[in-house]
Amino acid sequence: EIVLTQSPTTMAASPGEKVTITCRASSSVSYMHWYQQKPGASPKPWIYDTSKLASGVPNRFSGSGSGTSYSLTISSMETEDTATYYCQQWSSNSPITFGSGTKLEIK
Amino acid sequence: QIQLVQSGPELKKPGESVKISCKASGYTFTDYAMHWVKQAPGKGLKWMGWINTYTGKPTYADDFKGRFVFSLEASASTANLQISNLKNEDTATYFCAREWWNNFDYWGQGVMVTVSS
Repeated sequence: EIVLTQSPTTMAASPGEKVTITCRASSSVSYMHWYQQKPGASPKPWIYDTSKLASGVPNRFSGSGSGTSYSLTISSMETEDTATYYCQQWSSNSPITFGSGTKLEIK
Repeated sequence: QIQLVQSGPELKKPGESVKISCKASGYTFTDYAMHWVKQAPGKGLKWMGWINTYTGKPTYADDFKGRFVFSLEASASTANLQISNLKNEDTATYFCAREWWNNFDYWGQGVMVTVSS
């Protein structure tokens, strides 16, 4: 099983600040996907295939990475970005796994 | 529009069974696999497995083999999750999610299952 380790676990950012969340895989994966979840709601697809924004996702978000290291970046933090973000992978010979989540708050 | 609508919250006692449903609409049900994801209170997402909506074949993650059953009512575009011999640790929200190219593009609203004596 490929273990995904997200960092940080929790963080707070000021409006306008650049934010980077990382997701490290225990083995190389081809793609990483990201979801946003707000309290009491179901996860929303946010970034797929490492760098493609899901429908409706603001372009201040971006995704990048390869191999065992991936990241989600917000170029300029906004209040509405407060949420928990999860990474997810599904590579051949491994079950689907999610990262443990990064809770992002506004300062 | 595409929707996955799940059944309502459940309160069960240990040892009982529960069956929750996920009704799909707005697309051809058998064209996309359906997955199930567990989220315990205050915890992260845990993949439970998936069902091939064309063949009906289920695949279970290791931690969900034995008491968990995925099934279909294809004529009703519905996927079901049944959990038998419920334990306290089964208390969680259960999501269905449509698979699209190794990730999930639509999610149900979730079903809260509470197991308590």
